[in-house]
Amino acid sequence: AQKVTQAQTEISVVEKEDVTLDCVYETRDTTYYLFWYKQPPSGELVFLIRRNSFDEQNEISGRYSWNFQKSTSSFNFTITASQVVDSAVYFCALSEAQTNAGKSTFGDGTTLTVKP
Amino acid sequence: EAEVAQSPRYKITEKSQAVAFWCDPISGHATLYWYRQILGQGPELLVQFQDESVVDDSQLPKDRFSAERLKGVDSTLKIQPAELGDSAMYLCASSLRGGQLATGANVLTFGAGSRLTVL
Repeated sequence: AQKVTQAQTEISVVEKEDVTLDCVYETRDTTYYLFWYKQPPSGELVFLIRRNSFDEQNEISGRYSWNFQKSTSSFNFTITASQVVDSAVYFCALSEAQTNAGKSTFGDGTTLTVKP
Repeated sequence: EAEVAQSPRYKITEKSQAVAFWCDPISGHATLYWYRQILGQGPELLVQFQDESVVDDSQLPKDRFSAERLKGVDSTLKIQPAELGDSAMYLCASSLRGGQLATGANVLTFGAGSRLTVL
């Protein structure tokens, strides 16, 4: 069965600090997808990134970067020079292509608070 | 920008009453999902439709929950009777048809959610 663990329940940083959100996953499928979503205080989850299991290349998008390591079953998310607007709950998710690629299993989220 | 519409945003009801939530997905999205998010937890899939057919409802408590998507467009999720433990955010999401993985078929676009409080 698929499982996503986000061990950090809450993280608090001061603006401009870098912060890394951890995500560890479990799956028996060889083909799967990993995601990060952001849920701001308004409540609506917003898609940030999707990676498939065959693409371990790290990705950078502005202040955001993602580190995918199959060897440790991790897909960590780093925010560089954090800003107050980054305050939100961040969810990591997994879907198994061989079972049901559309069904995403979510972790319990990490609440990030960025203080001015 | 296209969005997933949900209503009502908030619902307060008493235990044993019936509740219904409505969702209108992004036009052209064949797949529709209902997720339940309990406070402090991640979303959990209740039911997944492709067009009007159910793909996965393994986590839907079928004794009290029902979902339909009769014409393959909008959808209704019903709870009858509501119980205290049903208090949660009910999220609707949509995505492209399942076979279109290369173009992001499993990337979910969420609505704002319907927050249910059962007293």
